[in-house]
Amino acid sequence: DAGVIQSPRHEVTEMGQEVTLRCKPISGHNSLFWYRQTMMRGLELLIYFNNNVPIDDSGMPEDRFSAKMPNASFSTLKIQPSEPRDSAVYFCATSAGGFGAFFGQGTRLTVV
Amino acid sequence: GENVEQHPSTLSVQEGDSAVIKCTYSDSASNYFPWYKQELGKRPQLIIDIRSNVGEKKDQRIAVTLNKTAKHFSLHITETQPEDSAVYFCAAERGYSTLTFGKGTMLLVSP
Repeated sequence: DAGVIQSPRHEVTEMGQEVTLRCKPISGHNSLFWYRQTMMRGLELLIYFNNNVPIDDSGMPEDRFSAKMPNASFSTLKIQPSEPRDSAVYFCATSAGGFGAFFGQGTRLTVV
Repeated sequence: GENVEQHPSTLSVQEGDSAVIKCTYSDSASNYFPWYKQELGKRPQLIIDIRSNVGEKKDQRIAVTLNKTAKHFSLHITETQPEDSAVYFCAAERGYSTLTFGKGTMLLVSP
């Protein structure tokens, strides 16, 4: 298995634009997490899916952020409109439950 | 919800010394405690984990201990090497639910 695959690896966008981050989980993993990492706030959980269903989205900072998991093989995190304070590394991680989470390589987002 | 506190935030040691990172958790129902290592510009990677029915686990130069009564767990690295320099995260998981991470410890091993 190639592991958790995220795209794009880097994204530079202008304030106000829509940004979509993508994640392909490890086959057979039924939990998927979106994390945001910044120097100031560390690793923050944004949203957690189990069996494609959003279970906890209390970490989503505001309505500008949305996430979907239409099937077991794909998830997206969308920011619309983007703001400079959204600049961070966004990680997708997946888990089979009880064995830790495995992270993708992350998407470095820069909003100018 | 779960809250995980991690200390220290930075740790500097000389090569060959031991390093200890400590974490406490709040939810007594948490039963799985992984540790992650994140090198600069890379993703966090699982390096060792421990479950609530075990008090200690070792893997070569790294070991983890768990005290369920006190709700704290620790990472021990012996004979540190420069390549151990990284940010280390502890985490706690309840059942098969989401992981809650500590804020991380930046470990610097000087030659």
